[in-house]
Amino acid sequence: SQKIEQNSEALNIQEGKTATLTCNYTNYSPAYLQWYRQDPGRGPVFLLLIRENEKEKRKERLKVTFDTTLKQSLFHITASQPADSATYLCALDSGNTGKLIFGQGTTLQVKP
Amino acid sequence: DTAVSQTPKYLVTQMGNDKSIKCEQNLGHDTMYWYKQDSKKFLKIMFSYNNKELIINETVPNRFSPKSPDKAHLNLHINSLELGDSAVYFCASSGGLAGGPSTDTQYFGPGTRLTVL
Repeated sequence: SQKIEQNSEALNIQEGKTATLTCNYTNYSPAYLQWYRQDPGRGPVFLLLIRENEKEKRKERLKVTFDTTLKQSLFHITASQPADSATYLCALDSGNTGKLIFGQGTTLQVKP
Repeated sequence: DTAVSQTPKYLVTQMGNDKSIKCEQNLGHDTMYWYKQDSKKFLKIMFSYNNKELIINETVPNRFSPKSPDKAHLNLHINSLELGDSAVYFCASSGGLAGGPSTDTQYFGPGTRLTVL
């Protein structure tokens, strides 16, 4: 069956460290994968998109990797800050349908 | 200058009632979506419309009926509400403007928390 999985347990890290979040998928062949941030009581906000022919994408302190062999994307936040605390969702396209399939999200807590 | 707006923000109603949620986007996008986020935080697509035409219709009970009067609006009407309909409903849009990060990126509204008693 098709699955997209993120670590459902919260990730707690110290301010200044690098946070690494994982997104694994099975039985999909996505053309791209996206990462969104969701704060409590708000809608998801787009962060980064990475295409299947890209290995890595960066935006300021954020870095995303995409390994289509391992069927995995890693999302890194370097020099993390308490303001980075939120739930991070990965999403992939289900094959030229325009439909995004979301993981259940991983909650990141950055402690000062 | 809100990009995607939804009303109401909160909706509390009795089982069996009929209710509507409205969504508007001012981004000039061609495609709009409705998602449901349950208590476990899973965000699942329900419908999408492209320029007023239904494109995606997931296995959603036919008590849920989307309506798109124009490409900037996508409303969701729910008949005979049930306890299991309690969730947060998000509207989103994508595509359209040149110069955006990607036509595949989705922009979400603030959500409507529906509670059915």
